[in-house]
Amino acid sequence: AQRVTQPEKLLSVFKGAPVELKCNYSYSGSPELFWYVQYSRQRLQLLLRHISRESIKGFTADLNKGETSFHLKKPFAQEEDSAMYYCALSKSNQGGKLIFGQGTELSVKP
Amino acid sequence: DTGVSQNPRHKITKRGQNVTFRCDPISEHNRLYWYRQTLGQGPEFLTYFQNEAQLEKSRLLSDRFSAERPKGSFSTLEIQRTEQGDSAMYLCASRLDRYTDTQYFGPGTRLTVL
Repeated sequence: AQRVTQPEKLLSVFKGAPVELKCNYSYSGSPELFWYVQYSRQRLQLLLRHISRESIKGFTADLNKGETSFHLKKPFAQEEDSAMYYCALSKSNQGGKLIFGQGTELSVKP
Repeated sequence: DTGVSQNPRHKITKRGQNVTFRCDPISEHNRLYWYRQTLGQGPEFLTYFQNEAQLEKSRLLSDRFSAERPKGSFSTLEIQRTEQGDSAMYLCASRLDRYTDTQYFGPGTRLTVL
């Protein structure tokens, strides 16, 4: 069965510190991986996807098929990064539905 | 077009009552998805439409749940004989038909069953 695991419910760091939000997935094929973010009082929105290989708001994520991981990283956290982060996977032959992890709340302290 | 909209934003009902939620996707988005999110969990897939055709339903969608998208535009999600376990945030998302396209989420409808 396909599954996405985010082992940390809460990650608290100080401003300027590096951040790594962990995501592991189980799937036998080649899924597409995403990171979605939900800021306070806002709707869920896409942060980045692995096929784009781009950096958004200083965040990057590399798909490691060997370790089945898609960790989200940022070298220097900012207070405005505080939000809920969800890792998700999708399969092209399943209509594009998303399977989400449980989410990690990132708190960046001043 | 201001994005995906959902109505109502909040719904409080008594156990056993029926409720209906509406989702208006972004214009020209032919795929529409429903998800449910309970406290402390990520969204869980319920069902999706391509135009007016409902192509997949999750096992989470019991017989009390029904979704429609009659003209391939807005969609409704109805829950009959609500139970306390139905209390959750119900999210709608839409996207174009290309696999590489992004799903855009609505603000959600929060259901509380007393």
